[in-house]
Amino acid sequence: SQQGEEDPQALSIQEGENATMNCSYKTSINNLQWYRQNSGRGLVHLILIRSNEREKHSGRLRVTLDTSKKSSSLLITASRAADTASYFCATDASDYKLSFGAGTTVTVRA
Amino acid sequence: KAGVTQTPRYLIKTRGQQVTLSCSPISGHRSVSWYQQTPGQGLQFLFEYFSETQRNKGNFPGRFSGRQFSNSRSEMNVSTLELGDSALYLCASSFWGNTEAFFGQGTRLTVV
Repeated sequence: SQQGEEDPQALSIQEGENATMNCSYKTSINNLQWYRQNSGRGLVHLILIRSNEREKHSGRLRVTLDTSKKSSSLLITASRAADTASYFCATDASDYKLSFGAGTTVTVRA
Repeated sequence: KAGVTQTPRYLIKTRGQQVTLSCSPISGHRSVSWYQQTPGQGLQFLFEYFSETQRNKGNFPGRFSGRQFSNSRSEMNVSTLELGDSALYLCASSFWGNTEAFFGQGTRLTVV
């Protein structure tokens, strides 16, 4: 079973709009990471947020973490066609493995 | 610096055969993890190695095995292949195993 669950499963937005996706997880974590995957290729690391952090920014990305609710959100601002991809959250619970959610597929329409 | 390299990129095997996949991590990274990705099960953790020691193993049958060499390169082996083993196998490397992971492009295995 997977630790994280993303919501929504799929998202379609217009170029320039913001995209928000959520991740919920079940157990205590050390950190939570977000990855992007383009069409069956390898995953690209986007951002890591530690359990003692509440918010983190990286370029057009903003991640929040609420450990009391065991949830995180990823916001992509001013989306571009190149942001079309699947986005995964992954939790690290001190056991040297990342547990991935099912992912959110984002389509950015021109 | 060079990224994570996985070979081969594509593989077609017959049921019952065995296969070995290779992963060369980023220079200086000592942790290598393997994941299986399928449409139905998503990304599933297979195992993680650090300095030639397996530190964690996922819930896969014993047909799935791996090893890591002294230069941190890793291999995974699947014996007696089944149709359900068809998947994208991803390798990831990191410094310690609990920091950001760098993924290779994957090996697409098709079992016929």
